[in-house]
Amino acid sequence: EPEVTQTPSHQVTQMGQEVILRCVPISNHLYFYWYRQILGQKVEFLVSFYNNEISEKSEIFDDQFSVERPDGSNFTLKIRSTKLEDSAMYFCASLPRLNTDTQYFGPGTRLTVL
Amino acid sequence: SQQGEEDPQALSIQEGENATMNCSYKTSINNLQWYRQNSGRGLVHLILIRSNEREKHSGRLRVTLDTSKKSSSLLITASRAADTASYFCATDAEQGAQKLVFGQGTRLTINP
Repeated sequence: EPEVTQTPSHQVTQMGQEVILRCVPISNHLYFYWYRQILGQKVEFLVSFYNNEISEKSEIFDDQFSVERPDGSNFTLKIRSTKLEDSAMYFCASLPRLNTDTQYFGPGTRLTVL
Repeated sequence: SQQGEEDPQALSIQEGENATMNCSYKTSINNLQWYRQNSGRGLVHLILIRSNEREKHSGRLRVTLDTSKKSSSLLITASRAADTASYFCATDAEQGAQKLVFGQGTRLTINP
């Protein structure tokens, strides 16, 4: 069964550094999402992406964040200058089309900012 | 106020008992989904119920949806120690890019 993959599984970085989290969505999916979950809290929507542009973003997704689909298979989330409060689990998800069944989630990347 | 709020926040029961978790939401939805998350791990999709459905079963899981009350319940029957996890409901609104809005979750502990 096809699945969403994410790398790395755990990323440790120093405050102020840039990080890129990578996701490979399921190949025929068209909609892509990033969510984050701070330890012990709920999962929060960050951004959705369709047709090579952001379709919706949350208040969390400020100028420090960007997303890209550089090569038709990878979907990346970049944090330009990490803060301590960016420490969280980041989940990628993909969807074949709107109004279908569930989004398919990746296993997550745990980001630790020191 | 938040979409997708579960109660109770924590639930501890004995193995073999049934566990019921509730979720409330505020906007019109396409569907409602339940996910399980073991500590520090990824999200495991359990079951999806569409806005025009009232009840759905999958193995030991039973989900109900009451769109008039904007609420859902997840029942796990004959609980097992392996069911210990956090359970989240998530809704996607009728409009927009189908982002999921998650609740705070219920932390379920099954005592052997």
